[in-house]
Formats: sequence, structure tokens, C-alpha cells
Amino acid sequence: KAGVTQTPRYLIKTRGQQVTLSCSPISGHRSVSWYQQTPGQGLQFLFEYFSETQRNKGNFPGRFSGRQFSNSRSEMNVSTLELGDSALYLCASSSLLPGLAGGKDEQFFGPGTRLTVL
Amino acid sequence: KQEVTQIPAALSVPEGENLVLNCSFTDSAIYNLQWFRQDPGKGLTSLLLIQSSQREQTSGRLNASLDKSSGRSTLYIAASQPGDSATYLCAVGGNYGGSQGNLIFGKGTKLSVKP
Repeated sequence: KAGVTQTPRYLIKTRGQQVTLSCSPISGHRSVSWYQQTPGQGLQFLFEYFSETQRNKGNFPGRFSGRQFSNSRSEMNVSTLELGDSALYLCASSSLLPGLAGGKDEQFFGPGTRLTVL
Repeated sequence: KQEVTQIPAALSVPEGENLVLNCSFTDSAIYNLQWFRQDPGKGLTSLLLIQSSQREQTSGRLNASLDKSSGRSTLYIAASQPGDSATYLCAVGGNYGGSQGNLIFGKGTKLSVKP
């Protein structure tokens, strides 16, 4: 079974531009979560989607948005890029509904998209 | 507010040693705890998942324990090998600030196993 895939793997953008990142979960997984990883802040939760519905959102500005499609693939968008948005963006999928599965919802992560904002 | 701490931040050991990585969390109301491994510039690889009702999980040379009441988990690695060199991350799942299920991560322990 293929793992979580993320595209593109690397991106270089300039301040003020917009970017869209894509995540394809493991086949059969309906839950997709996004995380931002930076050297200073570590891993921080961005959003969680289940069956095309955003269930949760982390403490990030409105420039960060996302969506999930009927095939469970997810995209996240960052508008008006800032230098501080440079990070590794990781996507995770789970076969179970996080938080409501008796703790059995193991999260599987993709390789990430490395975004550099110049 | 849930906070996850991992000590030490870095660890260097000779090949063959048994070692313990520590993780502590401030709020014991967790659904589960997951240990991950991250190689430089790569994504996270899930190592072990411990449900809140469990005390430990084992996979090969790895054993993870969970003590919810004291807010602690340990990852034991037996007979360490150079290929074990990576950053090990601990993450807890719970209901935080109205959000259910998102993981709260520690900053990780960077392990180096010398041949």
C-alpha cells in the first residue's frame, strides 16, 4: 500500500506570492491533518479534515487555508507569503476519526513539502 | 494548555548501547501517545502508538511505556545501531482548546549512534 504522498517536494517563492500544496493520503484513509515544522517552533498543527469537512484549525492567521476533496486528497493554500512561512509542511493521514477512535488513530506522515520564501 | 517536553535534546552513544529517551506532558487527559522518528530533511516515520488505556508497546528493538498519572513516556532502544541515528519525536493526542485529535509534539531528541 502506498504511503502518504505530498507534492511538490520543494518550492521557492517570493514574499507576497501565493502557494498551494497537495497531499494524497494512504488509500482508504479519510482523515488528513497538516503541520508546519520550523527549527524554532518545532511541529505545529495547522488543520484537520475528515470527509471534506474541516474539523479543527490551529492558531495560524487566515492566510493559511485548506480543503479536502471527495477522494480524500487535500490541499493547503498560503496567500501573501511572508519570510516566516519558510518551513517544512507535513501532511498526515489516519484511517480513523482522530480523537474519537479510542486512541487507535495512528497518524502516518508524508515526506513533506519544503517551502522557502525569499 | 498541553506541553510536551523531551529530555535530553541530544544524545550521543556508542554502538551496542541500550538507551532511554524521555517524554513528559503536562495534561494527563490524552487519547494516545505516538513516537516518531525523523531523518534529516525527511518526514516522520511512526514507530509506536500507545493508547491511553495501554501501559506499553513493543516493536522489535523498541519498547515504549506510558504512565498517564505521572505524565511520562519512555522509549527504550535496545542494542543501538548507527542506523538508529535520527531525531525522535514524542506526540500526544487529546482534546486541546476545542480541537480533538490533533497531535502536540515535543521538540525531539537528536540521537547519534557512533560505530
